[in-house]
Amino acid sequence: DVKVTQSSRYLVKRTGEKVFLECVQDMDHENMFWYRQDPGLGLRLIYFSYDVKMKEKGDIPEGYSVSREKKERFSLILESASTNQTSMYLCASSFGGVDTEAFFGQGTRLTVV
Amino acid sequence: KQEVTQIPAALSVPEGENLVLNCSFTDSAIYNLQWFRQDPGKGLTSLLLIQSSQREQTSGRLNASLDKSSGRSTLYIAASQPGDSATYLCAVVDMEYGNKLVFGAGTILRVKS
Repeated sequence: DVKVTQSSRYLVKRTGEKVFLECVQDMDHENMFWYRQDPGLGLRLIYFSYDVKMKEKGDIPEGYSVSREKKERFSLILESASTNQTSMYLCASSFGGVDTEAFFGQGTRLTVV
Repeated sequence: KQEVTQIPAALSVPEGENLVLNCSFTDSAIYNLQWFRQDPGKGLTSLLLIQSSQREQTSGRLNASLDKSSGRSTLYIAASQPGDSATYLCAVVDMEYGNKLVFGAGTILRVKS
């Protein structure tokens, strides 16, 4: 079975902190994604990576950056956490190409206080 | 820009009933459509993937159909059980947006015992 693992289920951080969310997949997938999910807004794409060191902005990249130094790992970075970044963060991965199945991690509930 | 709509937003049914969840999308130029299940506070679990050339996919009590020309998909759940209670999300990969998923807002399903 494909496994996408997010490093934390729950995180509480202070405003202004630099926050790292880590995601690891074990299926040698080329594509990796970071989404955030908010009530009433659904899932929105933050960043996408289709290869090591390659990234593309999604719909809401402001306030975030990403890092993909190894194929299996995709990190989301909140440079200076703010309360409006309190959300559920979901990582996903899929094989390269446009017709492949996406698999999600268990989610990280981040609260910024 | 692709928009995905799911109807109804919420559904409550007695155990044993067969039910249909609906998903519509505005641009028929898609590569695939995927149905997911999400339990409260958890990540997404992939249920079914339908490629653009396919009409339907089946897995156990689940059957998903795709009518690309009319921009519609349905998820049929046979003999519903309380354990089916969850939020069901559909998402498409469209040809303009590349290999990134565009999600609907989901249908919250409650199966009463």
